[in-house]
Amino acid sequence: EVQLVESGGGLVQPGGSLRLSCAASGFIFSDYVMTWVRQAPGKGLEWVANIREDGSLKYHAGSVEGRFTISRDNAKNSLSLQMNSLRAEDTAVYYCARAGKGTAIDYWGQGTLVTVSS
Amino acid sequence: DIVMTQSPDSLAVSLGERATINCKSSQSVLYSSNNKNYLAWYQHKPGQPPKLLIYWASTRESGVPDRFSGSGSGTDFTLTINSLQAEDVALYYCQQYYNTFHTFGQGTKLEIK
Repeated sequence: EVQLVESGGGLVQPGGSLRLSCAASGFIFSDYVMTWVRQAPGKGLEWVANIREDGSLKYHAGSVEGRFTISRDNAKNSLSLQMNSLRAEDTAVYYCARAGKGTAIDYWGQGTLVTVSS
Repeated sequence: DIVMTQSPDSLAVSLGERATINCKSSQSVLYSSNNKNYLAWYQHKPGQPPKLLIYWASTRESGVPDRFSGSGSGTDFTLTINSLQAEDVALYYCQQYYNTFHTFGQGTKLEIK
């Protein structure tokens, strides 16, 4: 069974940093593109970042470019999102997700809440 | 970036009737080399992660009821839900995965009339 379990969310002050992690199991992690998607309160889904199977290529949404960095450790079946210079508008539930159907997202974690507030 | 625009923003349909949600991309998401549209549809219920319904614009994900169908090509796409059930109340999103930035539509809220 495919499982994606996020951790690392919480309350952080504006300008602060946070690192989200996602533990993957039930599939060959290194065979898949992985993704972070977020949903701010009362808003729709927003794609945040992708990383290729071997970690060689990474793409970030313009809204987080230069502040967030996606990474992966295939030996540990782990996906991460380093978030720096956090802003109030980064407050959201962050989902770890697997891109499995031509990079459409076929599995999602339950999400972890990040709150940026003073 | 490819901008995805859904219509309507909200929709109320009677039980047993058909619901139709549209999605328009700012540029074509049809990849000519394989003739595939890089377009997916998701269902999102409160307190749950989103669920993949349709990929390649018209391929139903395993386990998704056949009352859900996707159609369209190029820049214009439709999600159709036949014989609406109470459990179909949710937000629905389209997403393009044609280029490196996999943008979502703004979402359509589906309710029972």
